[in-house]
Amino acid sequence: KAGVTQTPRYLIKTRGQQVTLSCSPISGHRSVSWYQQTPGQGLQFLFEYFSETQRNKGNFPGRFSGRQFSNSRSEMNVSTLELGDSALYLCASSLGAMGPYNEQFFGPGTRLTVL
Amino acid sequence: KQEVTQIPAALSVPEGENLVLNCSFTDSAIYNLQWFRQDPGKGLTSLLLIQSSQREQTSGRLNASLDKSSGRSTLYIAASQPGDSATYLCAVPGNQFYFGTGTSLTVIP
Repeated sequence: KAGVTQTPRYLIKTRGQQVTLSCSPISGHRSVSWYQQTPGQGLQFLFEYFSETQRNKGNFPGRFSGRQFSNSRSEMNVSTLELGDSALYLCASSLGAMGPYNEQFFGPGTRLTVL
Repeated sequence: KQEVTQIPAALSVPEGENLVLNCSFTDSAIYNLQWFRQDPGKGLTSLLLIQSSQREQTSGRLNASLDKSSGRSTLYIAASQPGDSATYLCAVPGNQFYFGTGTSLTVIP
């Protein structure tokens, strides 16, 4: 069974640009969660999508948005990039919606560098 | 809100040593706890999922225990190897995954 895949693996953008990251979950998984990881802040939850609906959202500005398609693939978009958006963006998939019984599987991440 | 902490933040041991990583959580009303490994610049690899009914879960040289009443989980690594060098994170699921800050492990050959 293929794992979680993320594309692209590396991105370099300049301030003010926008970027779209893609995540394909494990086959059969319907929940996709996104995280931002930086050396200073650790892993921070961005949002979760389940059955094409955003269920939970972390404390990030509206420049961060996402969506999920009917095949459970998800995209994350960041508009008007800032230097502080440089980070490793991780996607995780799980069988069901986020809850106390949840088990997550992570992709390799997309390394975004904003110049 | 669930808060997860891990101690120590960093650990350096000689090869072959047995070691214990600690994870504490504030809300003991949990059902699962997951341990992950992260190599530098890479994604998280799931090591073990321990359910509250299990108390212990084993995979190879790894053994995770869970004590809900005290709000603690430990990850025991037996006969450590240089390839075990990585950051180890624990996480508790809720309406999001709550991650600890991680323990950076270095195993010296």
